[in-house]
Amino acid sequence: SQQGEEDPQALSIQEGENATMNCSYKTSINNLQWYRQNSGRGLVHLILIRSNEREKHSGRLRVTLDTSKKSSSLLITASRAADTASYFCATDGGYSTLTFGKGTMLLVSP
Amino acid sequence: DTEVTQTPKHLVMGMTNKKSLKCEQHMGHRAMYWYKQKAKKPPELMFVYSYEKLSINESVPSRFSPECPNSSLLNLHLHALQPEDSALYLCASSKGLGGANVLTFGAGSRLTVL
Repeated sequence: SQQGEEDPQALSIQEGENATMNCSYKTSINNLQWYRQNSGRGLVHLILIRSNEREKHSGRLRVTLDTSKKSSSLLITASRAADTASYFCATDGGYSTLTFGKGTMLLVSP
Repeated sequence: DTEVTQTPKHLVMGMTNKKSLKCEQHMGHRAMYWYKQKAKKPPELMFVYSYEKLSINESVPSRFSPECPNSSLLNLHLHALQPEDSALYLCASSKGLGGANVLTFGAGSRLTVL
């Protein structure tokens, strides 16, 4: 299975702090994506990193990818209460049928 | 229009009922997906349509029947469901299959089977 495994399962921080989530996967990938899901809602795409990229930035988001370790990390800097959500990594093995990891629940307290 | 619209938002049905979930997008996307998500779990792929043809069926029970009437619409027909089928059903679309496609998700239809 390509399913990603996020770590930690839950993370609780204060506003202004940084949040780091990790994702590990098992097989080769074409790209890895991160999605956010607010409670009981649909998922929103955050960022995509291709297998030949090592780091990517988008606003307060920084994603790294280490294909030799089959792992990725998502860093959210200067977190806000509105960042409270579940975050999923999703691996694309080449046919665009994404396989989602188990997710990290992030709680940002004011 | 950059949205995927799902209706209804909530659905309660008995095990003998027949109901349908609907999904619509007007982004010109040619791939559409149904995912099922249980509480505190990741979304699980059910079906994929590409150019209105069923491309992937992830061994979903026949009580779930997908339909893609045209490139903008995707339905999921429900019949004789079980209480364990209660979940959030998510529709998504992408430009196509293959390549670095990003999925655009709807807000979901929360289904409760009594």
